[in-house]
Amino acid sequence: DQQVKQNSPSLSVQEGRISILNCDYTNSMFDYFLWYKKYPAEGPTFLISISSIKDKNEDGRFTVFLNKSAKHLSLHIVPSQPGDSAVYFCAASDTGTYKYIFGTGTRLKVLA
Amino acid sequence: SQTIHQWPATLVQPVGSPLSLECTVEGTSNPNLYWYRQAAGRGLQLLFYSVGIGQISSEVPQNLSASRPQDRQFILSSKKLLLSDSGFYLCAWSGSQERGGANVLTFGAGSRLTVL
Repeated sequence: DQQVKQNSPSLSVQEGRISILNCDYTNSMFDYFLWYKKYPAEGPTFLISISSIKDKNEDGRFTVFLNKSAKHLSLHIVPSQPGDSAVYFCAASDTGTYKYIFGTGTRLKVLA
Repeated sequence: SQTIHQWPATLVQPVGSPLSLECTVEGTSNPNLYWYRQAAGRGLQLLFYSVGIGQISSEVPQNLSASRPQDRQFILSSKKLLLSDSGFYLCAWSGSQERGGANVLTFGAGSRLTVL
């Protein structure tokens, strides 16, 4: 049972344009959501997070949007840069259980 | 500063041999600790987590086990490795983080295990 889904395995975007990565979840008990960036053979790096009491959080070029009714979140990267090319994972947590469930990842390629 | 270390970074083991991966966290106390595995082309699968010394929760029944002998130490073990145990193993922690707060999960650099 995949509780967190990233339905797009890959995405290509031109440098300077917006990258939009999507994530869907099924467990209504999730109350905290995170995005991570991962390079091959390295550990994931935390990018940005959002609590379920908010619908938007920004940090520089990164913005995360949360639509609780649709059980959907998205990560916007503006403007996209070649260094953003990596695999992006979304994660969801029911903070009362201490568990973090990850999606399968989306490989982003930013073309120069 | 807060750091997480895991080792070894790479190992190649024969089928049926034992396994021990170790993870330690510095610069914090009473962290929540996690082991994840990323199989080739797959997402991050939660294997074990621990909210305190001696407290281990298992998410996936398999021939792996975890132990937490000290507050900031988390060990992943197997008595007999299978071919299907190959993958990239990641240790992580959450708690009083300098960046992001208590609910952010911070990962180590990973351990690449190849079982032949």
